[in-house]
Order: sequence, then C-alpha cells, then structure tokens
Amino acid sequence: AQSVTQLDSQVPVFEEAPVELRCNYSSSVSVYLFWYVQYPNQGLQLLLKYLSGSTLVESINGFEAEFNKSQTSFHLRKPSVHISDTAEYFCAVSRPGGYNKLIFGAGTRLAVHP
Amino acid sequence: ETGVTQSPTHLIKTRGQQVTLRCSSQSGHNTVSWYQQALGQGPQFIFQYYREEENGRGNFPPRFSGLQFPNYSSELNVNALELDDSALYLCASSLAAAGKGISTDTQYFGPGTRLTVL
Repeated sequence: AQSVTQLDSQVPVFEEAPVELRCNYSSSVSVYLFWYVQYPNQGLQLLLKYLSGSTLVESINGFEAEFNKSQTSFHLRKPSVHISDTAEYFCAVSRPGGYNKLIFGAGTRLAVHP
Repeated sequence: ETGVTQSPTHLIKTRGQQVTLRCSSQSGHNTVSWYQQALGQGPQFIFQYYREEENGRGNFPPRFSGLQFPNYSSELNVNALELDDSALYLCASSLAAAGKGISTDTQYFGPGTRLTVL
C-alpha cells in the first residue's frame, strides 16, 4: 500500500520569496508522483507530474519538483512566489500498471503575504 | 474541448436521505473516478469506472454506489446519508490507454459538489 505525508499543514511566505512544500511517500513498489493545486471553492488542477525519466519536473507557472528515490520525497519548489499562488497544494501518488487511483496527502496551505 | 463538469454545485440533505451526484467527463475520456474530500483533508478515492464497469474501489461502504453511462458521464449515489458524509465530492476523468483502466494519463478534476448533511 502507498501513503503520502505532507510535512507542513501551512506555509506562510512573503511575496517574491522562495518556497518549498515538502512531500514524502511510502511504497513498496515504484510510483508515479503528482502535485495538484486547489484554489478556494474550486476543484483540483494538475501542477506537475513525475512518471519516469528526468527526476526534475517543471510546471508552466514556475514551480518545479524533484523526485528523490533514496529519500522517497517529491518536494515542490518555487524561487519567487506571487500573491496568486495562495492555494492548497496536494501531493499524490499512484501505482504504475494498475488503475490510476490517486492517494493524496493531507495538503499544505500556502499563504503568500504582500 | 470541454472540461469535467459536475452538478449540482451545492446540496443540502438530511440524515437518512439518498443523494445522486452527476459528472460529465472531459471529451474523449473513458474513465471516471470519484473522490471524497472532507473539510481540511486530502481527497480520498471512492471508486473508478471504466467502460461502464467498476474498475476499483476504495474503503467506502456499499451505500456508496456509482454508474457510468455509454457517453462516459457518471453518477455517484449515496444511500442512508450520515453526518460524516458531508464533504466535497470530486469527479475526475482520464483516458485509459490499454487494458482495463490501466493508464498513466492525467486525471482531470471537476469543480466538485459540496454536500452538507444535517
């Protein structure tokens, strides 16, 4: 079975500062990894995903995440955040080769202050 | 290309009632998954349908049931509602490329239905 731990429930940060949202997973098999973002009163939007290949993946809006197999981590980073990045961020895993059920962490609330 | 839509947006029911939530998949997708997101928590997998058959199920009781129609739209039905069923219910569609719902494709989520059980 797989599980996901998001180490911080809330991360406050000032605008234009860097940020890292931490995600660790547990699995006895290889996994696919995802970050989703949820804005207030909305559904989930895919931010980025790791399936295979390069361990560093990037999104179109400046976020990146690095898959670290030895540390079973998939931390999300952005070098300079904007007010509009304020949202809930969810890390998720799924198991390759089966139906793509997503297992989510509890979420990290990113609050960007001016 | 239309995205995933869900109806209704909000719903209020009382304990013991039954509810049906609806989802229209993104155009071209053949797989739909349902998730329950309680307040302050991450979404939890309820079940998935692929080509009108249940393809996998999470740890939810049988009073949670679903349907997928030939046009790949879907329904989530919950019987004998309990207070703890209050949550945001999310539908996600994807494309299974091979086999029975086996896919690496991205799941695209709808905006959700907020269910309140009083």
